[in-house]
Amino acid sequence: KAGVTQTPRYLIKTRGQQVTLSCSPISGHRSVSWYQQTPGQGLQFLFEYFSETQRNKGNFPGRFSGRQFSNSRSEMNVSTLELGDSALYLCASSLEGGPGNTIYFGEGSWLTVV
Amino acid sequence: QQQVKQSPQSLIVQKGGISIINCAYENTAFDYFPWYQQFPGKGPALLIAIRPDVSEKKEGRFTISFNKSAKQFSLHIMDSQPGDSATYFCAASFRQGKLTFGTGTRLTIIP
Repeated sequence: KAGVTQTPRYLIKTRGQQVTLSCSPISGHRSVSWYQQTPGQGLQFLFEYFSETQRNKGNFPGRFSGRQFSNSRSEMNVSTLELGDSALYLCASSLEGGPGNTIYFGEGSWLTVV
Repeated sequence: QQQVKQSPQSLIVQKGGISIINCAYENTAFDYFPWYQQFPGKGPALLIAIRPDVSEKKEGRFTISFNKSAKQFSLHIMDSQPGDSATYFCAASFRQGKLTFGTGTRLTIIP
């Protein structure tokens, strides 16, 4: 069974640009979450989607957005990139995101903003 | 506000020894406490998890001890091996929604 797949794995963007990251959850999983990992702030929750609806949201500015498609695949977008957005962006999936559902992480997308 | 505090930041243990990492939480609504292991260049992988209705859970060489009254939980790695060298994160969540992570512990097992 394939794990959580994230693309691209590495990318470099210029300040002010926007970026879209993609995530394919484990087959059958309907909940997808996104996390940002940085050396300074650690792992921080961005948002969670379930059945194409955002169900939970972290404390990030509106430049960070996401969506989920009917096949549970998800994308996150960061607009007007800032240097501080450089981070590892992790996607995680679970069956339904509720009690008893283990959360599995992908290997992440490394974003560098220059 | 950091809701899950993790210590130590780094830990060096001899091969065969016991590695102990501690976490403390503030939000009493948390009801799920997982530990994740992360190797360089990889995403976090679930190691073991516990719910507050039990005080200890063991899986192989890994044990979680949980103290609900003190709002603390810890990971014990018995017979630590060089392959255990990684960064470990404790986390907590409510109804397994969003995970709130500790700051991580870099564990190094030396021969």
